[in-house]
Amino acid sequence: KQEVTQIPAALSVPEGENLVLNCSFTDSAIYNLQWFRQDPGKGLTSLLLIQSSQREQTSGRLNASLDKSSGRSTLYIAASQPGDSATYLCAVDRNDMRFGAGTRLTVKP
Amino acid sequence: DTAVSQTPKYLVTQMGNDKSIKCEQNLGHDTMYWYKQDSKKFLKIMFSYNNKELIINETVPNRFSPKSPDKAHLNLHINSLELGDSAVYFCASSQVGVYGYTFGSGTRLTVV
Repeated sequence: KQEVTQIPAALSVPEGENLVLNCSFTDSAIYNLQWFRQDPGKGLTSLLLIQSSQREQTSGRLNASLDKSSGRSTLYIAASQPGDSATYLCAVDRNDMRFGAGTRLTVKP
Repeated sequence: DTAVSQTPKYLVTQMGNDKSIKCEQNLGHDTMYWYKQDSKKFLKIMFSYNNKELIINETVPNRFSPKSPDKAHLNLHINSLELGDSAVYFCASSQVGVYGYTFGSGTRLTVV
């Protein structure tokens, strides 16, 4: 059974810092991996999708990498801003999407 | 146009009642899902439907039943609601294994 773990559970950084969020999964036979953002009381916004054949995807200040063989993904956020404060969820897709518990990010002005 | 829409956004009801949550997607995806996000914010899959066929049911009580009248709709019916059913329920859709998932904005169910 696929298990997804995200570290750290919470992270607080000053504005402008670069940061890395980690995701690990136990079954490497996945179709793709997706990073989401969830603001308090809101739905999920898709940030980046990495298909199993890809190594990374970039969107603006976000870069996600995938090492399928080791069961790891990272989400890199450059030059963090207070508006980046949210919970970041990693999810892996193999017949259905399994989520990690998320990393709650706070960026302080 | 909203890609995945759920109604209602909020639902407050008494224990023992029966309620439904509706979900519609206009993305042409072939699979739809229901997820439950509990008080600890952990998202867990409940059901998925592919071409009107239930393909996943993750130890969900049989008080919960998904109904899919067509490929674009997956409704969630809940009978005899219990306090522990209070959560946020998310609908999602995907084209299996290809494009990732698109989520609705969630339905916050409160059972009192």
